Amino acid sequence: NAGVTQTPKFRILKIGQSMTLQCTQDMNHNYMYWYRQDPGMGLKLIYYSVGAGITDKGEVPNGYNVSRSTTEDFPLRLELAAPSQTSVYFCASMISGRAGTGELFFGEGSRLTVL
Amino acid sequence: GQSLEQPSEVTAVEGAIVQINCTYQTSGFYGLSWYQQHDGGAPTFLSYNALDGLEETGRFSSFLSRSDSYGYLLLQELQMKDSASYFCAVRDPHNQGGKLIFGQGTELSVKP
Repeated sequence: NAGVTQTPKFRILKIGQSMTLQCTQDMNHNYMYWYRQDPGMGLKLIYYSVGAGITDKGEVPNGYNVSRSTTEDFPLRLELAAPSQTSVYFCASMISGRAGTGELFFGEGSRLTVL
Repeated sequence: GQSLEQPSEVTAVEGAIVQINCTYQTSGFYGLSWYQQHDGGAPTFLSYNALDGLEETGRFSSFLSRSDSYGYLLLQELQMKDSASYFCAVRDPHNQGGKLIFGQGTELSVKP
């Protein structure tokens, strides 16, 4: 199994550009999440989804959008990129039956720089 | 809301034992999780404590005291490869989507 796969791994954007970070998982997990991690900091939740067609905001949703049309895919859209969005973005998934254990499976991250 | 506090850095020598503390403030509590992250890579799940006491998994153990809103991760027989960042996390008690709130992480440096 590939687990959680994110693309691209690296990207440089100009201010005002838009892009989509892709995330797919092959573990049939119904819960999926997007986190961002700034240097030396913890993980902040951007958006999450408890199943296809259901998404909700996390702690830092401004400037982002998500969709969940299938169980496997959870893309994150950045609109009008700003330097404050320079960060490492992690996609994660969890099987709902294990939600009580807090066991997340993370992708390798997408490193985004906005100049 | 929820908040977690961890020391930002800890240094120890190879072969030693180190303890990484985590205190939390939450309006409800399901349990405390620990994650390891090497060099900014994918965080990986280490352990989970829902009840008071010590859970042991090989060289790593995790402890929880619900009455003190406190937990720690204990690493024994430290190896160079244990140099990494360690995060504690709690589940958002008001949400059924399994959302985790993370601490800011403790960077562990293991010296020869």
